[in-house]
Amino acid sequence: GENVEQHPSTLSVQEGDSAVIKCTYSDSASNYFPWYKQELGKRPQLIIDIRSNVGEKKDQRIAVTLNKTAKHFSLHITETQPEDSAVYFCAPGDTGNQFYFGTGTSLTVIP
Amino acid sequence: NAGVTQTPKFQVLKTGQSMTLQCAQDMNHEYMSWYRQDPGMGLRLIHYSVGAGITDQGEVPNGYNVSRSTTEDFPLRLLSAAPSQTSVYFCASSRARGNTEAFFGQGTRLTVV
Repeated sequence: GENVEQHPSTLSVQEGDSAVIKCTYSDSASNYFPWYKQELGKRPQLIIDIRSNVGEKKDQRIAVTLNKTAKHFSLHITETQPEDSAVYFCAPGDTGNQFYFGTGTSLTVIP
Repeated sequence: NAGVTQTPKFQVLKTGQSMTLQCAQDMNHEYMSWYRQDPGMGLRLIHYSVGAGITDQGEVPNGYNVSRSTTEDFPLRLLSAAPSQTSVYFCASSRARGNTEAFFGQGTRLTVV
C-alpha cells in the first residue's frame, strides 16, 4: 500500500505568518492529492485538492502545490488566523485504490 | 441533504460486550469506509465497501465486522470489545474509490473499560 508521511507533525506560527505542510507518498500511480482539516472534536473536511495534471491550485489563503517527480505535495496557508488552528491531513489516492491518510499535522496559530 | 449520519456519538462498553456503530449516507455514494483515529496515528482504514454486497478489509480489520446490504448503510460491528478498541471511529463515503472527496460522519467516541 501507499506509504504517506507528513512533516512537520506539529507547527506553531504567529498570526499573520505563513504555514507550510509537506506530504510525501510512495505510489507513483497516485493521481489525486487532497488536504483535509479537522478542528478539535469535529470531523475531517476537505479544504483543497489537486489532480496530477495540475501543478498548483489556490483558493483564497490556501494553496496546494504538487511535485509528481519527487512524489510530494504541500499545503500553503498565508496570513494565518486563529481559526486555522486544527489538524491537517493529506490523503493521496488513485482510481481504484484506497485513501491513505498521513498521520496529521497539528497547526497552532498564536494570536 | 444530511450527508453522512453516524450514531451513536459516544459509547462506553465493558470488555467482551458487542455493539454496532451505524452509518448511513444519502448521497448515493458507492464507496464507504470505516476509520479509527488514535492520537499520533492519523486515520487508519478498518473496512471498506465499493458497493452493496461487497466489502473488504483495510489496514486494521481484526475484531471488526461489516456488511453492506444497501447502498445507503454500512454498519460496523465490534464482536467482543477490548480496551485496545478504545478510539474515535469515523465513517466516510465518496463517489468513487481513491480519487474523489471523502465525506465523513460526525464520529463515535468509544471507550472500552
